[in-house]
Amino acid sequence: QKEVEQNSGPLSVPEGAIASLNCTYSDRGSQSFFWYRQYSGKSPELIMFIYSNGDKEDGRFTAQLNKASQYVSLLIRDSQPSDSATYLCAGGGGVTTDSWGKLQFGAGTQVVVTP
Amino acid sequence: GAGVSQSPSNKVTEKGKDVELRCDPISGHTALYWYRQSLGQGLEFLIYFQGNSAPDKSGLPSDRFSAERTGGSVSTLTIQRTQQEDSAVYLCASSPAPLGQGEDTQYFGPGTRLTVL
Repeated sequence: QKEVEQNSGPLSVPEGAIASLNCTYSDRGSQSFFWYRQYSGKSPELIMFIYSNGDKEDGRFTAQLNKASQYVSLLIRDSQPSDSATYLCAGGGGVTTDSWGKLQFGAGTQVVVTP
Repeated sequence: GAGVSQSPSNKVTEKGKDVELRCDPISGHTALYWYRQSLGQGLEFLIYFQGNSAPDKSGLPSDRFSAERTGGSVSTLTIQRTQQEDSAVYLCASSPAPLGQGEDTQYFGPGTRLTVL
């Protein structure tokens, strides 16, 4: 079992709708969670991070973390065709300083926003 | 330069040869990361540096892989006796401080595509 699991998709979303991506993790020691966006053939880019239980909003993106249930989600509101990409979930950064910087990644969810 | 740079951009090598991949992080970034991404796969963490030291080397796939960072800047990832399964895109990233320490920015280089024949 991978430490971070995501549905591979593709997740097809009509333009203007909400895209909902989910991620579960197995390491209860993970303290920090990150969402990356990766366009085809390009390097990933970090778009959101969350450390505390609850919601965190940044523009059209909302990250949600539930440590008790060990899941992280990303909502993309008013989805645009430019949001079509693969979204990678990552977790890590435990309580020891040696673990800072080491992240475990999910395989990614492909999102396709259709006009 | 303004961003993270990596060289070479492409490397084709024969099985059994050694290769060296280079990463130039953003100036002043203390944390540097190496990942690899096989075709259609997510990112696999290899190693990260805080300054010149690597607190965790457990992500390196085998003892054929090694990495170093000098002067808190440039890093090299060396793969000895390359195997076909080493074929992947090797990505380097840097951040002002290690992720998970309240740091929320990280920048990736364009990657080195390694093909082992």
